[in-house]
Amino acid sequence: QQQVKQSPQSLIVQKGGISIINCAYENTAFDYFPWYQQFPGKGPALLIAIRPDVSEKKEGRFTISFNKSAKQFSLHIMDSQPGDSATYFCAATLSNQAGTALIFGKGTTLSVSS
Amino acid sequence: DAGVTQSPTHLIKTRGQHVTLRCSPISGHKSVSWYQQVLGQGPQFIFQYYEKEERGRGNFPDRFSARQFPNYSSELNVNALLLGDSALYLCASSFSPGGGSYGYTFGSGTRLTVV
Repeated sequence: QQQVKQSPQSLIVQKGGISIINCAYENTAFDYFPWYQQFPGKGPALLIAIRPDVSEKKEGRFTISFNKSAKQFSLHIMDSQPGDSATYFCAATLSNQAGTALIFGKGTTLSVSS
Repeated sequence: DAGVTQSPTHLIKTRGQHVTLRCSPISGHKSVSWYQQVLGQGPQFIFQYYEKEERGRGNFPDRFSARQFPNYSSELNVNALLLGDSALYLCASSFSPGGGSYGYTFGSGTRLTVV
């Protein structure tokens, strides 16, 4: 119930194409859903995030779609660029009396070919 | 403004040894969390500290411990190292335990190799 399941494991997209990464969760207590981007040798960097009372959030070329009833959310990268090649992690936060933990998916390695 | 600073960047230890990893949060951030990232996996939550008190603990053995100092910096200690402890250890800081409007900022991590 603590898991966040992410797919696909890897993705190859042509420059200018749309990259789509999907995540699913079970725990309805999750209250915040961020996406992180990680380059080799670096820590994850927050890309975009959404709360469960919102169905879509767009920031530049990045859009999160959130389906609360299906317990699924996805990241869309429009006009994908070679510089977007990185590993992407969806996550969910679980806040309780004991603090707040980020629960990460296993990651998607995106390669954008030029 | 400096980001989250972790030291050392790389470390090689022998099985059974002890290791201490250090983290300096972003100025003004009072919460520090530690994560373990095994190669090819997402980060896993180890600890969260806020105002020098432990606020959360993940599913890690008692060999893992941490503390937060009055200046909000933090140490992660791992005793009796096992080969399976080889990973990238990430520190994340935030203004509040829940992340706040800006979420969590991660450092670049400490790459620990246990041989």
